[in-house]
Amino acid sequence: GQNIDQPTEMTATEGAIVQINCTYQTSGFNGLFWYQQHAGEAPTFLSYNVLDGLEEKGRFSSFLSRSKGYSYLLLKELQMKDSASYLCAVRDRTDKLIFGTGTRLQVFP
Amino acid sequence: DTAVSQTPKYLVTQMGNDKSIKCEQNLGHDTMYWYKQDSKKFLKIMFSYNNKELIINETVPNRFSPKSPDKAHLNLHINSLELGDSAVYFCASSQDYNEQFFGPGTRLTVL
Repeated sequence: GQNIDQPTEMTATEGAIVQINCTYQTSGFNGLFWYQQHAGEAPTFLSYNVLDGLEEKGRFSSFLSRSKGYSYLLLKELQMKDSASYLCAVRDRTDKLIFGTGTRLQVFP
Repeated sequence: DTAVSQTPKYLVTQMGNDKSIKCEQNLGHDTMYWYKQDSKKFLKIMFSYNNKELIINETVPNRFSPKSPDKAHLNLHINSLELGDSAVYFCASSQDYNEQFFGPGTRLTVL
């Protein structure tokens, strides 16, 4: 079967760094995506990894290890507006996007 | 200016009714999708169309029928609505299976 695991909830303080982990077991692998979803809104694209290593984009970075079936999203200099759900999603061999259940991040002042 | 738009934003209806949700994208993308997000916030693919052709159909009950009149539109018609159909339905589009752009969602409540 297809399985993507993320922690359900995390909390952090404004200005801090937080790492959200994602492990996956899917039918094939054609890339891993991270999306941000604020409450009551649509998911928005954050990052894409298809090769091993770190992709950096401003305050957000995403890491992938295909051999370990593992990724993480790193958020630096946290701001209150970063409070949201973070969805890990893997594109499988049929190019279907399989989503994890998401990690709800709460940032406190 | 809106990249992916859906109507209506909210839909409240009785069990057994038939309803439609419309989706349009002005990004020139070839591929469009319908997702269902349940009360636990789990986002699951329902259908995918590429250039008006159905390419993914995720064992969704046949009460759900997508229709793509052209590559910029993908509508979802639901017959005989059931309580379990209550969810947020998101339309999305992408080019060549790259990042997907999501519409604002349609919150469907079946009473």
